[in-house]
Amino acid sequence: QSALTQPASVSGSPGRSVTISCAGTSSDVGGYNYVSWYQQHPGKAPKLMISNVSHRPSGVSNRFSGSKSGNTASLTISGLQAEDEADYYCSSYARSTPHWVFGGGTKLTVL
Amino acid sequence: EVHLVESGGGLVQPGGSLRLSCGASGFTFSTHWMSWVRQAPGKGLEWVANIKPDESEKHYGDSVKGRFTVSRDNAKNSLYLQMNSLRAEDTAVYYCARSWNSSWCDWGQGTLVTVSS
Repeated sequence: QSALTQPASVSGSPGRSVTISCAGTSSDVGGYNYVSWYQQHPGKAPKLMISNVSHRPSGVSNRFSGSKSGNTASLTISGLQAEDEADYYCSSYARSTPHWVFGGGTKLTVL
Repeated sequence: EVHLVESGGGLVQPGGSLRLSCGASGFTFSTHWMSWVRQAPGKGLEWVANIKPDESEKHYGDSVKGRFTVSRDNAKNSLYLQMNSLRAEDTAVYYCARSWNSSWCDWGQGTLVTVSS
């Protein structure tokens, strides 16, 4: 069982928006602004999409945005495109070991 | 351009050992924390270990503590993971990753470790 809770799957139509949630506790997501999000296509390595809750690294589309409220972080993808179909993982620093925890992953389907 | 290339994976029997390597290029290796993250077949990501640039700090996930050892050679731009007392549940693709801004900004392609008799 993963330390952080994500929905197993979400879906959306091209051009629409979807939001993926990542629920933790005050000892991880809620206690630090160290939440990051990763995109992983089948058979490929993960790719950083969001760091420090809402920072978008250079080269990442501005259609991707991150936020946090209390113990839950969220990744929003706007203007859905076919290429966005992938697995998405959240991660956070945690007060106790293991100090870095992941969510179980969310499979995004673009309808 | 940053490149991380893992090697050393393969098939090993339960209780055996394996040493993974990760060669880095395209950035100043000696100034970055580095990590190992693994992914069991069909499963999610799991943080394994990380190491400070000067090796003064090393941290491990609970499932590998006492069995795995992370190290680095800054002169060779290389990261290592010594894995001992391997178990079936250690079967996974092991990724080397560069740490940045409390996240992992660059990843290798991964190397598969299979623990089976």
